[in-house]
Amino acid sequence: GAVVSQHPSWVICKSGTSVKIECRSLDFQATTMFWYRQFPKQSLMLMATSNEGSKATYEQGVEKDKFLINHASLTLSTLTVTSAHPEDSSFYICSARERAGVVGIQYFGAGTRLSVL
Amino acid sequence: LAKTTQPISMDSYEGQEVNITCSHNNIATNDYITWYQQFPSQGPRFIIQGYKTKVTNEVASLFIPADRKSSTLSLPRVSLSDTAVYYCLVGDWAWNTDKLIFGTGTRLQVFP
Repeated sequence: GAVVSQHPSWVICKSGTSVKIECRSLDFQATTMFWYRQFPKQSLMLMATSNEGSKATYEQGVEKDKFLINHASLTLSTLTVTSAHPEDSSFYICSARERAGVVGIQYFGAGTRLSVL
Repeated sequence: LAKTTQPISMDSYEGQEVNITCSHNNIATNDYITWYQQFPSQGPRFIIQGYKTKVTNEVASLFIPADRKSSTLSLPRVSLSDTAVYYCLVGDWAWNTDKLIFGTGTRLQVFP
């Protein structure tokens, strides 16, 4: 299957700093990518849909000024957690969809563990 | 997007066949059924996708009855490495509508 690369896999930062997470589709082009967050023992929660060349669409309750998303190319989307605080500590996962005929399959990155001290 | 209902957890032993059933009573005509597997601290991994009847790949089989209101993921002869959370998702995978909403998933524990 297609490969989605996410970097870094783990990051620790101080409260108040910003952290950028990259998501790349390695062998296919993705006009749309998705960002999720996941707390321990819980399911994935969709944060936003990232569209190449346009503004991201955020889910209800997700602060767009807090979680900045940029999708500058067909293979790269970035999520920046601005002014991070301990409550932002979580597992962040991106995904991208590869079209296969008329039905697409979403492939996921390995995730980024963010710890805010 | 159709809501899905799965058992919260299941236990099995190595070598057994495991069947995880997902209910999706409100599935729409254009909806497909997709299953993902997730290990701790990893992103979900695509397992199998289907629309109706039966689909089989090298990893699993997916059984979908005629009314499509449920589906069953079948894992043949599980091993310890199959211990994971399994998610059933239903959605219109047409090119312009592809948002995935994850439910609670089924936590499968395989014992030696």
